[in-house]
Amino acid sequence: ETGVTQTPRHLVMGMTNKKSLKCEQHLGHNAMYWYKQSAKKPLELMFVYSLEERVENNSVPSRFSPECPNSSHLFLHLHTLQPEDSALYLCASSQDQESTDTQYFGPGTRLTVL
Amino acid sequence: EDKVVQSPLSLVVHEGDTVTLNCSYEVTNFRSLLWYKQEKKAPTFLFMLTSSGIEKKSGRLSSILDKKELFSILNITATQTGDSAVYLCAPHGRSYQLTFGKGTKLSVIP
Repeated sequence: ETGVTQTPRHLVMGMTNKKSLKCEQHLGHNAMYWYKQSAKKPLELMFVYSLEERVENNSVPSRFSPECPNSSHLFLHLHTLQPEDSALYLCASSQDQESTDTQYFGPGTRLTVL
Repeated sequence: EDKVVQSPLSLVVHEGDTVTLNCSYEVTNFRSLLWYKQEKKAPTFLFMLTSSGIEKKSGRLSSILDKKELFSILNITATQTGDSAVYLCAPHGRSYQLTFGKGTKLSVIP
């Protein structure tokens, strides 16, 4: 399988649940990203990992917790979310985070928080 | 704060028309500008522009960057219904930072 994959594709959860989103890239890239896309708003960068180290956290609430165990996998752990967290969560990867490089996106996880 | 403004926000055209989508930006440490097409889910990469005045082409799509005036345009000629999508402009500033615009929603009707 090639490219960037994300699971699950759809997720419905209650505010007290704990769930995780998974991203896997098969491109040999060294940088991975989590974005949030809400209706009628631009894509918002949440987290950046480069060589498995977090290099940026754009003031994301602590109810979102990323994990990057290796350069091919990225997780987003979710707990006690709010309805306004419902959105499309996109994972992306690039060769590295220093160069002017294209970010390739996964298909996203559509999250609904009830 | 980095800014990206895309215009128009939405556009409805008939098949065969030519469209021009605009993107103006202000980013710190500009490196490149990327265009993406987003249909139902993930944005798919179209172009990366790094130099002013050099047109990039891919089939009926083309794009050009003006680093002096801080804008880029995306042209689509002979539009087809399959071109219906949201087109996103994303200048690349700080090393990892893509700043996305709100996008232009293009609807091509038969």
